[in-house]
Amino acid sequence: DQQVKQNSPSLSVQEGRISILNCDYTNSMFDYFLWYKKYPAEGPTFLISISSIKDKNEDGRFTVFLNKSAKHLSLHIVPSQPGDSAVYFCAASGGGTYKYIFGTGTRLKVLA
Amino acid sequence: DTAVSQTPKYLVTQMGNDKSIKCEQNLGHDTMYWYKQDSKKFLKIMFSYNNKELIINETVPNRFSPKSPDKAHLNLHINSLELGDSAVYFCASSQDWVGGTDTQYFGPGTRLTVL
Repeated sequence: DQQVKQNSPSLSVQEGRISILNCDYTNSMFDYFLWYKKYPAEGPTFLISISSIKDKNEDGRFTVFLNKSAKHLSLHIVPSQPGDSAVYFCAASGGGTYKYIFGTGTRLKVLA
Repeated sequence: DTAVSQTPKYLVTQMGNDKSIKCEQNLGHDTMYWYKQDSKKFLKIMFSYNNKELIINETVPNRFSPKSPDKAHLNLHINSLELGDSAVYFCASSQDWVGGTDTQYFGPGTRLTVL
């Protein structure tokens, strides 16, 4: 039972444009969401998070939006840079589970 | 200084062997985790220890045994390795574990290949 889904395995974007990565979840009890970024041969690194009491959180070029009614979150990267090319994982926690549930990741390629 | 380190980075072994993966964190965190990323790229938690005590134990074969000698170390021992154990194993740590909101910091991963 895949509770966190990233339906786009890959995404290509031109440098300077906006990258939008999407994530859907099924468990309405999740109350904390995160995005991690992973380069090849490295571990995931924390990027940005959002609590369910908010619908938006911004950190520099990265903004996460949460739509609780749709059980959907998205990560916006503006402007996209070649160094942003990586695999992005969304994760969720809460609902009595003290652990992260990860999606399968979206590979972002930013074209110079 | 590497915050969360794992050894070895690569491990190739035969079916039936026993192997260990070591993890150390120098962040002063109280909680450590082991994750498995399989061929379908699912990153799933296996175990979590808080202050050397097991707090999360997912449905993992009992051939997998974590050991935490102290708060800074969480090792993973695997007995009687099977082909399906081939995966990338990530160690992670967080300051605490309450509510699942503490940011987790991951190690670089250990790629295990069972032949």
